[in-house]
Amino acid sequence: GAVVSQHPSWVICKSGTSVKIECRSLDFQATTMFWYRQFPKQSLMLMATSNEGSKATYEQGVEKDKFLINHASLTLSTLTVTSAHPEDSSFYICSAPRTGGVGYGYTFGSGTRLTVV
Amino acid sequence: EDQVTQSPEALRLQEGESSSLNCSYTVSGLRGLFWYRQDPGKGPEFLFTLYSAGEEKEKERLKATLTKKESFLHITAPKPEDSATYLCGGCGSGGYNKLIFGAGTRLAVHP
Repeated sequence: GAVVSQHPSWVICKSGTSVKIECRSLDFQATTMFWYRQFPKQSLMLMATSNEGSKATYEQGVEKDKFLINHASLTLSTLTVTSAHPEDSSFYICSAPRTGGVGYGYTFGSGTRLTVV
Repeated sequence: EDQVTQSPEALRLQEGESSSLNCSYTVSGLRGLFWYRQDPGKGPEFLFTLYSAGEEKEKERLKATLTKKESFLHITAPKPEDSATYLCGGCGSGGYNKLIFGAGTRLAVHP
């Protein structure tokens, strides 16, 4: 149980275009979704926290106008990279706390490899 | 500011050669210390959650321990399939139960 489905698994886009990444909780309700970015051979860097029905909270240094997060329902959170540039190329992963709280851990999506050319 | 530091950055072991990975943390109001395994191009896979100093958990060849300042992931008689990046993360009393990760340890186990 506690599966988060993330799509697409990879995407290549042209510089200046926007890309949307979706994360769906399949068998539980995700009131909170965390969005991470990971560069090659580096760890997961938290970008923002989305909560269903409210504005996302962004970590320091993350441009909220560039990385638009929407959490319109208890099972869907989206990250849109607007006007993407090559430096936005990275591995993006979402994560949600399992039902019951922190003690039950966090489940992660399978990640999206974004390449901007 | 909450911080998680892992060492070593990379570790190369021979099959059967036991070792330990270190995770030092300064997390305000620690609510949980997590260990994950990540294979290349995939999302992290949950291994353990530790809550309080002195706690230990085991799964196959892996054993995680926790003190007030550090956590260790002990790997006993590793096999090549244990090769992966091991991530340590802490969740504190800050808002939304966010999980902050260390840089990870890249483990390579050779036959």
